[in-house]
Amino acid sequence: DAGVIQSPRHEVTEMGQEVTLRCKPISGHDYLFWYRQTMMRGLELLIYFNNNVPIDDSGMPEDRFSAKMPNASFSTLKIQPSEPRDSAVYFCASSLGATGAGTDTQYFGPGTRLTVL
Amino acid sequence: GNSVTQMEGPVTLSEEAFLTINCTYTATGYPSLFWYVQYPGEGLQLLLKATKADDKGSNKGFEATYRKETTSFHLEKGSVQVSDSAVYFCALSDNFNKFYFGSGTKLNVKP
Repeated sequence: DAGVIQSPRHEVTEMGQEVTLRCKPISGHDYLFWYRQTMMRGLELLIYFNNNVPIDDSGMPEDRFSAKMPNASFSTLKIQPSEPRDSAVYFCASSLGATGAGTDTQYFGPGTRLTVL
Repeated sequence: GNSVTQMEGPVTLSEEAFLTINCTYTATGYPSLFWYVQYPGEGLQLLLKATKADDKGSNKGFEATYRKETTSFHLEKGSVQVSDSAVYFCALSDNFNKFYFGSGTKLNVKP
């Protein structure tokens, strides 16, 4: 299996521009997670989906951030407009199923390093 | 609420030294516990997991035992190698499939 795929790997943009990050989860996984990692705040869960439906978006920092999952094999995280404080590494992860079933292990993609100038 | 606390780093060891990275958790219900490892420039990789009390997870010489009485899941390795240098994250998974990660502990192993 190819694992979780993210694109682009690196993104440099200017403040005010729209940024779209993309994720392809592992085939057959029902859960998809978006995280942000910074030195100051560590690893933060932004939002997660179950069967393409957003379940918990309480970690999304503000209205400039939005995430969609139009089908089981694709998700996007969009920032519009971007700001320098959004600079971070954004990870996508997927898992097969629910806690307790032994299928809750999350598999991470390689991340997208976003720099907003 | 749910949370994970792990020892701050960096931890610097010589090759072949014994490693312990402490992790304690607070959780309702019966969480699963995990250790993930992150090498420079890469995503997090599952190192080991335990799904119930007294379970021991192990992989690549690393071990951790799920201790409900002390709410701990300490990571240990008997003899570290330079290639083990990375950041290690303790995490728990609640009954709703949501993960809570610790802040990470950076391990530096010197030859």
